[in-house]
Amino acid sequence: GEDVEQSLFLSVREGDSSVINCTYTDSSSTYLYWYKQEPGAGLQLLTYIFSNMDMKQDQRLTVLLNKKDKHLSLRIADTQTGDSAIYFCAGPSSNTGKLIFGQGTTLQVKP
Amino acid sequence: DVKVTQSSRYLVKRTGEKVFLECVQDMDHENMFWYRQDPGLGLRLIYFSYDVKMKEKGDIPEGYSVSREKKERFSLILESASTNQTSMYLCASRGGGETPEAFFGQGTRLTVV
Repeated sequence: GEDVEQSLFLSVREGDSSVINCTYTDSSSTYLYWYKQEPGAGLQLLTYIFSNMDMKQDQRLTVLLNKKDKHLSLRIADTQTGDSAIYFCAGPSSNTGKLIFGQGTTLQVKP
Repeated sequence: DVKVTQSSRYLVKRTGEKVFLECVQDMDHENMFWYRQDPGLGLRLIYFSYDVKMKEKGDIPEGYSVSREKKERFSLILESASTNQTSMYLCASRGGGETPEAFFGQGTRLTVV
């Protein structure tokens, strides 16, 4: 079945780059999302990438998509303590249209 | 700039009560979703809707129903609340085509006592 997987935890120092990885199984997904969730809050859409793109950059965020390996990554440059949160990747099922989420990666930023 | 609004931020209900969670979006999106989020279990899809009066079961529909009478509003109903439905409930809506952004509401923390 369709699945999205992420590593559960990442710890970095303030000012370093963070790279959060995601793998997915549905090769027909037309776009993929990255969300950020702070404690007690809803999910904030950070960015999305169409499946016909390899890379998308938006200020400190860079999304890389490797369709061959079904691998998606989110790079945060110059990571700040305010970036500490849970990050989710997600994609729509090509069969049903429902959004399928990874388990989320907790990013800890140490001062 | 608010796009998806959930009617309550926190709710406390008694076991057996009928509970309504409301979600409204202002982006004219056709697709709307209800998830619940529990520690260690991630986001689980309860129901989704791809058009007015249309609904599809998600992964965990038992104990829930939904209503979509207008395009902008998607309601989640707990027919008879139970303690195992204590959770964070998240509503989302999604566009399509060239603008597939999917936005979430702020979440409703429901406690059933």
